[in-house]
Amino acid sequence: GAGVSQSPSNKVTEKGKDVELRCDPISGHTALYWYRQSLGQGLEFLIYFQGNSAPDKSGLPSDRFSAERTGGSVSTLTIQRTQQEDSAVYLCASSLQQDTANEQFFGPGTRLTVL
Amino acid sequence: ELKVEQNPLFLSMQEGKNYTIYCNYSTTSDRLYWYRQDPGKSLESLFVLLSNGAVKQEGRLMASLDTKARLSTLHITAAVHDLSATYFCAVVRDMRFGAGTRLTVKP
Repeated sequence: GAGVSQSPSNKVTEKGKDVELRCDPISGHTALYWYRQSLGQGLEFLIYFQGNSAPDKSGLPSDRFSAERTGGSVSTLTIQRTQQEDSAVYLCASSLQQDTANEQFFGPGTRLTVL
Repeated sequence: ELKVEQNPLFLSMQEGKNYTIYCNYSTTSDRLYWYRQDPGKSLESLFVLLSNGAVKQEGRLMASLDTKARLSTLHITAAVHDLSATYFCAVVRDMRFGAGTRLTVKP
């Protein structure tokens, strides 16, 4: 079956522009996560969606970052007024349900470069 | 704040040698995960450790979990070049990952 997909795979933008990153989770997975991975670093949690519950936004670094999940499936991460420090790989993951034994399955990531 | 600490962060091994990667975490959790990441690729799930004393093995890799010590280990036996990658441990419930251990296996 299809895994987690993300688009675009690469995005180059100019400082100050807005960008939207898309994630399609595995069908049937109710939990969806966004992470950021800077070059050579570990993963930084950004936001988490579980079913129809209010998302956990505790990892968002600033109010320039926001995310939506429509219909409990596709998610979009939006970064407004991008800065050079936003350059990173943005990874999306999904799992059947949080708080169970089901591990997260990761997408291939979107590499964002802010010039 | 939950901390997940891995060591070493960089590991260069000779083929055929054994080594252990350590993952310490600062919260009570009975569930820990190990992932592998190849350069330019996404994360691949290796092990899911669900309870104290859990041990799982796959090929030359073996992972264990001691929830009382808040410690997980990833043991590499008779390393081969194909194991070269970055390995992450994660307390997934809290969405916290270690910084990763970059493993290089040299001939």
